[in-house]
Amino acid sequence: EPEVTQTPSHQVTQMGQEVILRCVPISNHLYFYWYRQILGQKVEFLVSFYNNEISEKSEIFDDQFSVERPDGSNFTLKIRSTKLEDSAMYFCASRSWGAPTNEKLFFGSGTQLSVL
Amino acid sequence: ELKVEQNPLFLSMQEGKNYTIYCNYSTTSDRLYWYRQDPGKSLESLFVLLSNGAVKQEGRLMASLDTKARLSTLHITAAVHDLSATYFCAVAPPRGNAGNMLTFGGGTRLMVKP
Repeated sequence: EPEVTQTPSHQVTQMGQEVILRCVPISNHLYFYWYRQILGQKVEFLVSFYNNEISEKSEIFDDQFSVERPDGSNFTLKIRSTKLEDSAMYFCASRSWGAPTNEKLFFGSGTQLSVL
Repeated sequence: ELKVEQNPLFLSMQEGKNYTIYCNYSTTSDRLYWYRQDPGKSLESLFVLLSNGAVKQEGRLMASLDTKARLSTLHITAAVHDLSATYFCAVAPPRGNAGNMLTFGGGTRLMVKP
């Protein structure tokens, strides 16, 4: 089965530093997402991206966050100035076009971000 | 605001037993998902339920959706140790192709003991 690929698997950074988390969605997918999961807590929606623009974002996704699809394959999440509370597992996800047959959301294996 | 509540949050059961996990949500939706997560791993899609009365089965797991009651259930039949994991339900708001802004429940940590 095709996979969503995320790199790195672990990222350690100092508070205030910028980080970029990378994702390669499944090749024919058109919708892209970032979710995060703080240890032991719920999975939380951050942002969705379609047609080269943000389609939805949550309150968590403030001005410190940005997303980009710099080429035809990568989808990135940038945190400009990391805070301790940004420490979490970040999941990228993608899905194909059209409903209802393509409602399945595929998640990557995640990037564990630790802010020290 | 859409809220999703799962219960129980923790479930310890013996192999061979049956049990049901419940997922309630607060506003109208026609799309509900069940995911499995093993410790430190990603979310594995189990079921996508898209209509009232939908029932799907895979192995020892069966999921159903009652949109009128705003309730989904995940039923485990004759549990085996390999089913030990955390199970999440997630609900999408009733909108068009614009979104899969899923709201997740808190998860049910299932431990199946020999």
